[in-house]
Amino acid sequence: AQRVTQPEKLLSVFKGAPVELKCNYSYSGSPELFWYVQYSRQRLQLLLRHISRESIKGFTADLNKGETSFHLKKPFAQEEDSAMYYCALGPGGYNKLIFGAGTRLAVHP
Amino acid sequence: DGGITQSPKYLFRKEGQNVTLSCEQNLNHDAMYWYRQDPGQGLRLIYYSQIVNDFQKGDIAEGYSVSREKKESFPLTVTSAQKNPTAFYLCASSPQDRGGGQPQHFGDGTRLSIL
Repeated sequence: AQRVTQPEKLLSVFKGAPVELKCNYSYSGSPELFWYVQYSRQRLQLLLRHISRESIKGFTADLNKGETSFHLKKPFAQEEDSAMYYCALGPGGYNKLIFGAGTRLAVHP
Repeated sequence: DGGITQSPKYLFRKEGQNVTLSCEQNLNHDAMYWYRQDPGQGLRLIYYSQIVNDFQKGDIAEGYSVSREKKESFPLTVTSAQKNPTAFYLCASSPQDRGGGQPQHFGDGTRLSIL
């Protein structure tokens, strides 16, 4: 079965602390993985995708096929990073996305 | 900003009533999607369409119907058969997948409640 698991509903850190939002997936094929973010009163938007291997707003995510994980990391959290983060799996070729339940990141001053 | 427009922002449904949620995009995207968002459950796919005049059921299509008569429009009807329609509904679109995975662009959503 294709599934995305985000084990933490809420992650609370202080400004300047490192952040890691966990994402594990279940998929037998070659996965396409994304992180989406929803800031307060804004629409859901793409943060980054594994195929791009880029850093956006200081966030990075590495696909680990052995551990079937795609954790989102940032070395120093900022207050403006506070948002809802969703990990999504795209089974190749069908343009569908399977979303995790989301993790709310709260960065305190 | 433009891109995908969902209307209305808030909608109330009476018992036994069908309601239609509008989704329009001006991104010239081939594919469009409807998701339902419930607290603690993330987004669940209701229906999706990869091309005009074609659509497929998602994971939770029961009680919903769609049409795709125009490339830019993908309305969702919540029928009286949907017994628990109270939720936040998100529409999205994306270019056609060419094998590398295409990110989806989302609207602002419609919140549907039961009267």
